[in-house]
Amino acid sequence: EPEVTQTPSHQVTQMGQEVILRCVPISNHLYFYWYRQILGQKVEFLVSFYNNEISEKSEIFDDQFSVERPDGSNFTLKIRSTKLEDSAMYFCASRERWGGEETQYFGPGTRLLVL
Amino acid sequence: QKEVEQNSGPLSVPEGAIASLNCTYSDRGSQSFFWYRQYSGKSPELIMFIYSNGDKEDGRFTAQLNKASQYVSLLIRDSQPSDSATYLCAVKEVNFGNEKLTFGTGTRLTIIP
Repeated sequence: EPEVTQTPSHQVTQMGQEVILRCVPISNHLYFYWYRQILGQKVEFLVSFYNNEISEKSEIFDDQFSVERPDGSNFTLKIRSTKLEDSAMYFCASRERWGGEETQYFGPGTRLLVL
Repeated sequence: QKEVEQNSGPLSVPEGAIASLNCTYSDRGSQSFFWYRQYSGKSPELIMFIYSNGDKEDGRFTAQLNKASQYVSLLIRDSQPSDSATYLCAVKEVNFGNEKLTFGTGTRLTIIP
């Protein structure tokens, strides 16, 4: 069964460093998302991406964040200068074309720890 | 800010019994509702979605939607220890053709053998 994959599974970084989280969405999916979940808190929407541009972003997704689809398969989230409060699980999700199945399928997540 | 509310639990249910999980949402215009299961340290895994008022059954799981009351629930019949997890209610928000999921805080369910 097709699935969303994410790398790395864990990332430890120093405050102020840049990190890139990588995702490979399901191959025939056209809509891509990043969510995050701070330990013990709810899953929060960060950004949606379609047709090589951001569709919507939340207040959390400030200038320190960016997303990119550098090739036909990868979808990346970059945090330019990490802060302690960026420590969280980051989930990538994807869904089919508009009008197809509405479900967003989640990847296994990347646990980011900023020290 | 559109809200999705769930009782955080923990909810303890004996093995073999019915577990009932509830969720309310604030946006009366919401159309699509999802239940995800999340094991500790893992990602959300879809259990069911429901779009229409009434019940929708899939194996041991039944989702119930009441749009007038802005209420969605999940029933798990014949609960098993492997059902012990946090159950996340998610509501799809659509804004000028863009969509995202708004999640509740989740209900932690423990099935007691």
